[in-house]
Amino acid sequence: KQEVTQIPAALSVPEGENLVLNCSFTDSAIYNLQWFRQDPGKGLTSLLLIQSSQREQTSGRLNASLDKSSGRSTLYIAASQPGDSATYLCAVDSNYQLIWGAGTKLIIKP
Amino acid sequence: NAGVTQTPKFQVLKTGQSMTLQCAQDMNHNSMYWYRQDPGMGLRLIYYSASEGTTDKGEVPNGYNVSRLNKREFSLRLESAAPSQTSVYFCASSEALYQPQHFGDGTRLSIL
Repeated sequence: KQEVTQIPAALSVPEGENLVLNCSFTDSAIYNLQWFRQDPGKGLTSLLLIQSSQREQTSGRLNASLDKSSGRSTLYIAASQPGDSATYLCAVDSNYQLIWGAGTKLIIKP
Repeated sequence: NAGVTQTPKFQVLKTGQSMTLQCAQDMNHNSMYWYRQDPGMGLRLIYYSASEGTTDKGEVPNGYNVSRLNKREFSLRLESAAPSQTSVYFCASSEALYQPQHFGDGTRLSIL
């Protein structure tokens, strides 16, 4: 059974720092991996989707990498801003279902 | 520019009551999904509809039923609510399976 883990559960860093969020999964048979952002009381916003054949995807200050063989993905956020404060979730798409991690709650201190 | 719309946004039920959560999307997407999110956990898939006229069970379907009313609408029904179903419910849609999913703002459901 696919399991997705995100460490750390919470992270607080000063504004301007570069940071890395981690996601690991137990079964490498995935179709894609997605990173989402969730703001309090709101729905989820898709940030990046990496197909299983890809190694990374970039969007603005965000870069996501995928190493299927080791079951790991990272989300790199450059030059963090207070507006980046949110919970970040990763999800792997396998067998028609998204399997989710519990998320990393990120706080960027001004 | 509505995207995915869920109603209601909040609801309190008593154990044993029934209710239907509504979801509609205006992006002409083929696939729709219902998830629940419990505190400190990731989302879990309840049911999904790959295309109009089809529905399939997800990871946690027990206690729920769904109806894909048309291409736009996908409803989730709790026939006899239980306290264990207290959660935040999210509806999502995508162009097709394995495509990026777009989410509604959620329904916060409490069952006493």
